[in-house]
Amino acid sequence: SAVISQKPSRDICQRGTSLTIQCQVDSQVTMMFWYRQQPGQSLTLIATANQGSEATYESGFVIDKFPISRPNLTFSTLTVSNMSPEDSSIYLCSYDSPAEAFFGQGTRLTVV
Amino acid sequence: AQTVTQSQPEMSVQEAETVTLSCTYDTSESDYYLFWYKQPPSRQMILVIRQEAYKQQNATENRFSVNFQKAAKSFSLKISDSQLGDAAMYFCAYRRAQKLVFGQGTRLTINP
Repeated sequence: SAVISQKPSRDICQRGTSLTIQCQVDSQVTMMFWYRQQPGQSLTLIATANQGSEATYESGFVIDKFPISRPNLTFSTLTVSNMSPEDSSIYLCSYDSPAEAFFGQGTRLTVV
Repeated sequence: AQTVTQSQPEMSVQEAETVTLSCTYDTSESDYYLFWYKQPPSRQMILVIRQEAYKQQNATENRFSVNFQKAAKSFSLKISDSQLGDAAMYFCAYRRAQKLVFGQGTRLTINP
């Protein structure tokens, strides 16, 4: 299985600003996924990122708020834009193998 | 849409004893995967066990086993000989077509 690294591991941000989260995989993967985990809640899929095409967003998530880049098969970024305290969550990136999904270490975002 | 339900927000067990975590799901598909993931305070999502829907035999991984009842759409996790390191959030998840849907999670406490 490929190793997946995510950064930053945590950040505290002012409302109205944006944060970009990076996810690096040490081998090529076709699809990468971004999840949000609100405090005390489960994981919810934000979007699926394919290289060379626009990300596919789940219901309730929009590109203007969560722009995603996928410049190559080993890297992706998620930006949380114009942040408000309601965006305080853990954000996780992931990729799939036939046997399981592998996750980054997560980014704990606090918006003040 | 697929849904996954974990009806036990919290469970506790004495060290060395056995505990069962419940999960039910709703799907009209016949071919899918089911997973149990563990999330300790480090936030890292760790695969505990997986089950392919086409396999009738229940999956086992050392002290972890599942009771998969396909007709009832039930997928419970049994942890035998509980250890302090088993304390974590446990998420049941359903996967089809590379999309994971998670249950709400069960917080497991191990009492020494």
